[in-house]
Amino acid sequence: GAGVSQTPSNKVTEKGKYVELRCDPISGHTALYWYRQSLGQGPEFLIYFQGTGAADDSGLPNDRFFAVRPEGSVSTLKIQRTERGDSAVYLCASSSSGSLHEQFFGPGTRLTVL
Amino acid sequence: AQSVTQPDIHITVSEGASLELRCNYSYGATPYLFWYVQSPGQGLQLLLKYFSGDTLVQGIKGFEAEFKRSQSSFNLRKPSVHWSDAAEYFCAVGANAGKSTFGDGTTLTVKP
Repeated sequence: GAGVSQTPSNKVTEKGKYVELRCDPISGHTALYWYRQSLGQGPEFLIYFQGTGAADDSGLPNDRFFAVRPEGSVSTLKIQRTERGDSAVYLCASSSSGSLHEQFFGPGTRLTVL
Repeated sequence: AQSVTQPDIHITVSEGASLELRCNYSYGATPYLFWYVQSPGQGLQLLLKYFSGDTLVQGIKGFEAEFKRSQSSFNLRKPSVHWSDAAEYFCAVGANAGKSTFGDGTTLTVKP
């Protein structure tokens, strides 16, 4: 596609439930990033993929958060046993291998945990 | 560890007036620096970036920023603000392998 797409755009769930958030990067981009943006704050790094492997997952807050990118394109961020504090906008970005720092962001998924 | 500080949470300027948004960073080496703009319900859009070379960089929409190593700053400027510039602005510093650290943003309001 022309840009990074994320689905769903909005997700409302109940505390304790499991959710999956999807990111479709720009075609050909080898690097993919997940960030979390809480209200009134800047995006906070979660995890970075280079191809299929997680090159840096130091930002994942705990073991309830997990992300995969099995074919090196689409990625899914998975959150188990959601908590109200997980409510935020989850942003995905991608970049090409020749310009890793130039990240193109998707519109985000707004997650609300009731 | 890298960090970014945007001292101004909210700035209001009149349309046509000049604008400067402040950004200070902390990073051990020569940083990669970015400014992004985010409008309500929109994703982050890159305004400009600094990697190396000329310390005054030009971006889209008439924005520019100046890298000052001695002050660890990368302030964003625009000579004449338009009403459509009202948005939230984020400064970011990039480290190895593309991971970026963002400031908490500055919200710009433009008065008619």
